[in-house]
Amino acid sequence: GDSVTQMEGPVTLSEEAFLTINCTYTATGYPSLFWYVQYPGEGLQLLLKATKADDKGSNKGFEATYRKETTSFHLEKGSVQVSDSAVYFCALRGSYIPTFGRGTSLIVHP
Amino acid sequence: NAGVTQTPKFQVLKTGQSMTLQCAQDMNHNSMYWYRQDPGMGLRLIYYSASEGTTDKGEVPNGYNVSRLNKREFSLRLESAAPSQTSVYFCASSGTSGGSSYEQYFGPGTRLTVT
Repeated sequence: GDSVTQMEGPVTLSEEAFLTINCTYTATGYPSLFWYVQYPGEGLQLLLKATKADDKGSNKGFEATYRKETTSFHLEKGSVQVSDSAVYFCALRGSYIPTFGRGTSLIVHP
Repeated sequence: NAGVTQTPKFQVLKTGQSMTLQCAQDMNHNSMYWYRQDPGMGLRLIYYSASEGTTDKGEVPNGYNVSRLNKREFSLRLESAAPSQTSVYFCASSGTSGGSSYEQYFGPGTRLTVT
């Protein structure tokens, strides 16, 4: 079946540091790929998405590229802010049921 | 446009009590989902409804029942609550029309404690 593996956290960075959160997946066919973000006490919200190979999703300075050859969708940001502190979930939609990674907590210090 | 709404926001139950968690969406989405979120476990799918009139079990359906009341509403019922059901419950919806990438929209969650 489908699966998503993302790096365990927490990831702790200083403000303005470069961020990478790794995500790899296993799926049949050509799934759509997503990153969701969850701020404390809230539900998940879509951060960015990519629907086919080599697509780059981007939003709020975050980027991720759909790499079919390496089955990866790593999340990057060039300069993180304290307000980016949250839990980030990688997900895919291949068959009817979405599949989520376990989430990676990001903590950004001033 | 409220998106996905859930009630209640917080609930405390005693073991053996029952309750229904309510969820509604105003985006005309066909698919709706119930998840639970526990520390270190990520999101686990309880039940989903691909379209009005259909429901299917997810990864962890035991102890729960669902009703897809109409296209807008999808409720989750705990018939006899157990401490293992202490969790945060999220409802989500997604579109399935042509060209959709099926991203999900989540409600704010219900924080349930069973004592």
